[in-house]
Amino acid sequence: SAVISQKPSRDICQRGTSLTIQCQVDSQVTMMFWYRQQPGQSLTLIATANQGSEATYESGFVIDKFPISRPNLTFSTLTVSNMSPEDSSIYLCSVSHQDYEQYFGPGTRLTVT
Amino acid sequence: SQQGEEDPQALSIQEGENATMNCSYKTSINNLQWYRQNSGRGLVHLILIRSNEREKHSGRLRVTLDTSKKSSSLLITASRAADTASYFCATGSLSSGSARQLTFGSGTQLTVLP
Repeated sequence: SAVISQKPSRDICQRGTSLTIQCQVDSQVTMMFWYRQQPGQSLTLIATANQGSEATYESGFVIDKFPISRPNLTFSTLTVSNMSPEDSSIYLCSVSHQDYEQYFGPGTRLTVT
Repeated sequence: SQQGEEDPQALSIQEGENATMNCSYKTSINNLQWYRQNSGRGLVHLILIRSNEREKHSGRLRVTLDTSKKSSSLLITASRAADTASYFCATGSLSSGSARQLTFGSGTQLTVLP
């Protein structure tokens, strides 16, 4: 398994501002992912964070709204830009290890007012 | 959109009873994983079953996979109050670009009453 930390654990932000969420892994991993979990819902994949190249976004998610950085094999950031109340969600990063098992960070609970 | 649908959406049982949750999916998969989430926190990985496996055990957990019916079940035996949580299935499908990209089901909220 992997130990994954996220910062911040929660935040309350004003409409129109941006928040950057950090994800740190205790070992080098090839694939990192960012998910969103809206209130009372399941998880939806936002993008795959690729080291050394642009992230790969899923349908419905764009780079201007959710820019992602992956400077090395243990760290990634997700920015939620120009926030609106609809962005209030839990944002989770995850890593995929050998054998396809995927491990998740504790999540960042974002509330936009 | 969610690939998987889970049923029931909510399940309430007494401590000591068994809990069974079902997951159905739509496309061919490489693997299927089950997760537990307590009160909106991070997900805990429970078990992974590959497409060429039919059954897998881990402690009090038993997972089955029927690829012909595109369905899986998670059985928790001798449930405890601490098992109260939301349970999600997630599939890794080659059609999604990478078997490592997971598509999550809608989840089952399990409540175990003491």
